[in-house]
Amino acid sequence: DSGVTQTPKHLITATGQRVTLRCSPRSGDLSVYWYQQSLDQGLQFLIQYYNGEERAKGNILERFSAQQFPDLHSELNLSSLELGDSALYFCASSEFGVYGYTFGSGTRLTVV
Amino acid sequence: DAKTTQPNSMESNEEEPVHLPCNHSTISGTDYIHWYRQLPSQGPEYVIHGLTSNVNNRMASLAIAEDRKSSTLILHRATLRDAAVYYCILMNNNAGNMLTFGGGTRLMVKP
Repeated sequence: DSGVTQTPKHLITATGQRVTLRCSPRSGDLSVYWYQQSLDQGLQFLIQYYNGEERAKGNILERFSAQQFPDLHSELNLSSLELGDSALYFCASSEFGVYGYTFGSGTRLTVV
Repeated sequence: DAKTTQPNSMESNEEEPVHLPCNHSTISGTDYIHWYRQLPSQGPEYVIHGLTSNVNNRMASLAIAEDRKSSTLILHRATLRDAAVYYCILMNNNAGNMLTFGGGTRLMVKP
């Protein structure tokens, strides 16, 4: 157990639907990062939050949004889902600084 | 972003040392060198990081060239459980601590 908890582990949904992925960071970590990993794209950075504030954005689609709540857990919302959104979605957390990230075990999203 | 170059794949025999190379010729003075690995069906896992000096921890050693333009991750005795994709990443504190993953090196360990 890495200390970063992601739920659900698996999700199957239809095109056009909306889903929410949840991440609880490791205790004491203020930064949360979301990554998408598909077979043909590798690990792609989506978005970062630090203590509730958006810090950096990567290749995140407009159909996707995220937030970090006062208790520091984060949610990634994916809407108007397309087949190409099928991927593993990882959350990671870290202290602020150049220390290592701790990744969760991911949510596998399958859009059918 | 400063980029890294790694071989696509490497093979090793079990219980032998493995040296995974990484080139980062455009590294800046404030870039830290991080290594992560991703085992099959798992999230990436932090291995080690360093700035200028060689570093050791329970998982591996990191050897950094004097000019910092390359580094080598050393697994002292490879086990079958070390079979994974290994990523060498530069992280700049001034750029918000972003980890940008490249293709990594797929390490295969033969029994």
